[in-house]
Amino acid sequence: EAQVTQNPRYLITVTGKKLTVTCSQNMNHEYMSWYRQDPGLGLRQIYYSMNVEVTDKGDVPEGYKVSRKEKRNFPLILESPSPNQTSLYFCASSRQATNEKLFFGSGTQLSVL
Amino acid sequence: AQKVTQAQTEISVVEKEDVTLDCVYETRDTTYYLFWYKQPPSGELVFLIRRNSFDEQNEISGRYSWNFQKSTSSFNFTITASQVVDSAVYFCALSELDAGNMLTFGGGTRLMVKP
Repeated sequence: EAQVTQNPRYLITVTGKKLTVTCSQNMNHEYMSWYRQDPGLGLRQIYYSMNVEVTDKGDVPEGYKVSRKEKRNFPLILESPSPNQTSLYFCASSRQATNEKLFFGSGTQLSVL
Repeated sequence: AQKVTQAQTEISVVEKEDVTLDCVYETRDTTYYLFWYKQPPSGELVFLIRRNSFDEQNEISGRYSWNFQKSTSSFNFTITASQVVDSAVYFCALSELDAGNMLTFGGGTRLMVKP
């Protein structure tokens, strides 16, 4: 089944404790991205990747890192999480970076205490 | 800069009523793409439609229809004969041609369909 898989589904952590949210797609998509969803703000892009080893900042990149060492994986790293990073996170992918529809993962609800 | 506004934060209807979700966008580009996504209570995001700026024909898919009007920068979504399973948060989004695949989302409209 074609899908984008994120883990974990729920995560509770404390301020400053490094964490990684994994994302993997099995559709051989070139483009992958991360969004965060906050009430009333919709979804906002954090980082994106056009292809392996190519990543760039989205609208809200502060406090996040990403890497794209393999085509299928695009982990989101929070080196020192803070409470304002409490949010619902979505990984997404598409065949190419040409205004195509995005396939989204199931989301990761992160709470930073 | 691009912007998407969904002025209705919550809508409540009774089953079988028709309901329209409004979406107004701002962009300086002449080529852009508009999307609607559905987020049911389970949380995932489900793609509904993608439209490019040169295609102003309205589209119908079953009980769903979309009205794209460039003159008013709107891309409204209508559900005919709503059902309880339509209860969800609906997002309108915009992608400009040179923005790669970055979507700018509206704040979402929560639709509650009561039996």
